[in-house]
This record gives sequence, structure tokens and C-alpha cells, in this order.
Amino acid sequence: DVKVTQSSRYLVKRTGEKVFLECVQDMDHENMFWYRQDPGLGLRLIYFSYDVKMKEKGDIPEGYSVSREKKERFSLILESASTNQTSMYLCASSPPDRPNTEAFFGQGTRLTVV
Amino acid sequence: AQSVTQLGSHVSVSEGALVLLRCNYSSSVPPYLFWYVQYPNQGLQLLLKYTSAATLVKGINGFEAEFKKSETSFHLTKPSAHMSDAAEYFCARRDSSYKLIFGSGTRLLVRP
Repeated sequence: DVKVTQSSRYLVKRTGEKVFLECVQDMDHENMFWYRQDPGLGLRLIYFSYDVKMKEKGDIPEGYSVSREKKERFSLILESASTNQTSMYLCASSPPDRPNTEAFFGQGTRLTVV
Repeated sequence: AQSVTQLGSHVSVSEGALVLLRCNYSSSVPPYLFWYVQYPNQGLQLLLKYTSAATLVKGINGFEAEFKKSETSFHLTKPSAHMSDAAEYFCARRDSSYKLIFGSGTRLLVRP
């Protein structure tokens, strides 16, 4: 089974802190994604990566950056955390160039910024 | 913009009743469509997916969905709800790119 692992289930950070959310997948997938989930808004794409060191902005990239130095790891960085970034963050991965294959999700990280 | 619309943020049914969760998409080309389920404090799990092989798609846990091009719909159904079906359900689509676009979700409540 594909496994996508997010390093933390729950995080509490202070306003202004630099925050790192880590995600690792074990299926050698080229594509990796970071989504943010908020009630009533569904999942919104922050960033995605289709290869090592390659990234593209999603729908809501402001206040975030990403890093993909190795194929299996995709990190989401909050440069200076703010209270409006309190949310559930979901990482996902999928094989490349096959739109009929699903994405596989991690368990999520619930981040609270105080 | 291409999008996915889920009608009803909350749906409540009695145990044993039919479950119907609605999803409509906008697209100029046939899309790849997915239904995911999310149990409390969990990630998303795939229920089923449409890939153009058949219009009626069967998934896990007794769920199925029918692709209707004329109605641009991909509604999720289950003949008889179980208490364990209580969760949030997301419809999603992927087009020529590899990004998944999600609807806003529908929370299913099952009454005893």
C-alpha cells in the first residue's frame, strides 16, 4: 500500500515563527501536493511539485513556500506564521502523467497559530 | 474556471435509508472524477473514481456513482446507510493536468 506520512498530527506555533511541515511518501511518486482544508471551503491547493526541485504555485500560495530536495520528501514552509494560517494541512502524492490515477493522502497536520 | 460543486454542506439520513450526495462539475472536456471520504481527524481515502470505462462506478463500502455527461453530474449513492458511513465526503476532478480540484465537501450524518 502507498503510504504518505506527515511528520506531525498536531502542531501549535506562535505568530511570527517559521514553521516546517514535512511529508514523506514511499511509492516513488513524481507528483506531490500540499492542500489546506478549512470548513466550508473544501481542500485548496497551496503548492505542488512534479519532480525534484520543481514546484508550481497552486491557488493559495501566499505566505507559504515549499522545498523538494529528494523525490520522497515534500516540505511546506510557513515563513512567518499568522493566525489565519490555522488550519488542517494535507499532503498527497500521485504517479505522473496519468490523470485517471488517484492521489494518496497523508493523515493531515492540524496547525494552530496562537 | 473549471470547478466542482457539491450541493448541500450537510446531509442527514436515517440508518438504512438511501444516501445521495450530489456533485456537479464544469468542464469543456470529459473529466476524471473522484469521490473521497474523510473520517474525523483522518486524511482522505478514495471511495471510487470515474475513468470513462463505465458510467456506473462501484466503490468501497457499498458506494457507487453514476457519471451523467448530459447533466455534468457524478452523484454518490448508497442504498442503505450505516452508522459507520458518517463522515465528510469530497468530490474531486482532475483534467489534463495532474492537479485535483475539490468541491467544498458534504458532511453525512446518520441518525439511529
